[in-house]
Amino acid sequence: GAVVSQHPSRVICKSGTSVKIECRSLDFQATTMFWYRQFPKKSLMLMATSNEGSKATYEQGVEKDKFLINHASLTLSTLTVTSAHPEDSSFYICSARVFLAGYEQYFGPGTRLTVT
Amino acid sequence: EDKVVQSPLSLVVHEGDTVTLNCSYEVTNFRSLLWYKQEKKAPTFLFMLTSSGIEKKSGRLSSILDKKELFSILNITATQTGDSAVYLCAVEGLKAAGNKLTFGGGTRVLVKP
Repeated sequence: GAVVSQHPSRVICKSGTSVKIECRSLDFQATTMFWYRQFPKKSLMLMATSNEGSKATYEQGVEKDKFLINHASLTLSTLTVTSAHPEDSSFYICSARVFLAGYEQYFGPGTRLTVT
Repeated sequence: EDKVVQSPLSLVVHEGDTVTLNCSYEVTNFRSLLWYKQEKKAPTFLFMLTSSGIEKKSGRLSSILDKKELFSILNITATQTGDSAVYLCAVEGLKAAGNKLTFGGGTRVLVKP
């Protein structure tokens, strides 16, 4: 199957600082990656679609200046949470789209962000 | 707006029981329906369904899609404690702005020994 990694798996930062989360497709190239946010006991909420070589497409209500997405190569997308606040604390998950039997999406292991 | 509803919200069964999870959807330009299992970390892929009436099977898990009635079911037979998880259903629709998945709220399954 397709493997997606995320780094770091867990991060604690202070209010006002920025945090970068990396998402890599390990054994395939992904022209499209997605970033999700998940609150405790809730489902996944799509934040943005990251396309290699072009600007990300953000979902309604997601601040693009706060959640910076860069998809510089076919195997790497990054999400930077700028000027983090405690309400940004959440589980962030990326996924990558790959064509196997059809277009399938595989998720990274997630990054738990805690802003103090 | 695309919508995915899963039922039940949660259920508790004993090992050996069979569970059936439901997923109904409304989506513009349906492309596929996917099932995921989520334990403590990120979701792991189970099935992708694109055609009606064709059952997909993997061990004790199976799933089928009905594109006319707009729903899918996920069956788990002979449940084990390791099946305890949240099961997520997601639908992909073709959009001018690019395809994306819409997730249901999930069904939390607890299998007791």
